[in-house]
Amino acid sequence: DTEVTQTPKHLVMGMTNKKSLKCEQHMGHRAMYWYKQKAKKPPELMFVYSYEKLSINESVPSRFSPECPNSSLLNLHLHALQPEDSALYLCASSQGFRASGELFFGEGSRLTVL
Amino acid sequence: AQSVTQPDIHITVSEGASLELRCNYSYGATPYLFWYVQSPGQGLQLLLKYFSGDTLVQGIKGFEAEFKRSQSSFNLRKPSVHWSDAAEYFCAVGEPGNTGKLIFGQGTTLQVKP
Repeated sequence: DTEVTQTPKHLVMGMTNKKSLKCEQHMGHRAMYWYKQKAKKPPELMFVYSYEKLSINESVPSRFSPECPNSSLLNLHLHALQPEDSALYLCASSQGFRASGELFFGEGSRLTVL
Repeated sequence: AQSVTQPDIHITVSEGASLELRCNYSYGATPYLFWYVQSPGQGLQLLLKYFSGDTLVQGIKGFEAEFKRSQSSFNLRKPSVHWSDAAEYFCAVGEPGNTGKLIFGQGTTLQVKP
């Protein structure tokens, strides 16, 4: 199993809503990532979890709250988002958090904030 | 700081023609080098990677890339393009001895003409 599964694939929410994005992998990877990608742009790193601990927060606004309940799951809790937060949110995993590691990406959750 | 430049924002080639996508990096030593592909509405998939050794690396889907230290380049090539190769291509760099963060180039959009 070499898949990273993300749900939901599409999400529309208002600025006052609370929603969550979910990511799951069963490859035994110990590093998991959230990226944000705007159209025609490269992915921008948001958060990295290594061995279920938050290793990197790229100065992401607190309206985005990551959670790693176990080594296979990664959530991104969303609250009071802005229209400019509309983007494709990609989850990725790798065997370990190191520069040589191949990232395995999910298909993404496309978020629209109204 | 390290950086990755993909000089070509958009490239159009005819099906069956050869392809070369350019990537230049800025880093003092030899970094870890990657090429990822993103089909429309999909996540990113690793095509190939270079860490050390033979400077010509083979990847999936018939792609290859050549590392040229003197030119700080890692160009992606394919001898005969298929219509299914139309996608966004990202070059990425990882720093040895540093965090697991990847630096992505801005991407090159490949269009394939029938």
